[in-house]
Amino acid sequence: QKEVEQDPGPLSVPEGAIVSLNCTYSNSAFQYFMWYRQYSRKGPELLMYTYSSGNKEDGRFTAQVDKSSKYISLFIRDSQPSDSATYLCAMSWNNQGGKLIFGQGTELSVKP
Amino acid sequence: GAVVSQHPSWVICKSGTSVKIECRSLDFQATTMFWYRQFPKQSLMLMATSNEGSKATYEQGVEKDKFLINHASLTLSTLTVTSAHPEDSSFYICSAWPTGQGYQPQHFGDGTRLSIL
Repeated sequence: QKEVEQDPGPLSVPEGAIVSLNCTYSNSAFQYFMWYRQYSRKGPELLMYTYSSGNKEDGRFTAQVDKSSKYISLFIRDSQPSDSATYLCAMSWNNQGGKLIFGQGTELSVKP
Repeated sequence: GAVVSQHPSWVICKSGTSVKIECRSLDFQATTMFWYRQFPKQSLMLMATSNEGSKATYEQGVEKDKFLINHASLTLSTLTVTSAHPEDSSFYICSAWPTGQGYQPQHFGDGTRLSIL
């Protein structure tokens, strides 16, 4: 079993839809949770960063962390074609020298 | 803020050539930088952790003599693929972990597409 599980998709939605992306994990020591967006042939771009449980909102993006269920989510409201990319969840914990554990990435396509 | 510059973005070279890739944090300092390799439609695979002023730590299965890492300053790490062969063709991505109080996420460069003929 992988430490972080993420449905690779692909996920296709119409423009304007609400998108829900999710990751589950097995290591209860994880404390820091990130979502990165990666366009084709580019490096990952940090979208959201959350420490421990809770919600965080930034524009059309909302990140949720439920440590009791070992489950994190990223919601995208009013999705746009420009949101078409691969979304990677990543996690880390103290005293690990900054190492990240990544999910497999979910490929999202938003159709106009 | 938090910009990481990676060069070159694309390189094509003959088998047996050595290739150097640079990773710079432009507006922050990074004691630690990471080097990843990514195959098509797969997630990032950590190759090594680069620490300023000390030897890099390589992940299991990564040949340290093949992938030389130097982290000479708080803003620059380099990866040299020595005597590259076609099987080394891949997308290489670096990231920088900001130095400072409290946890901050890694920031990534835009990757280097390496093609060995």
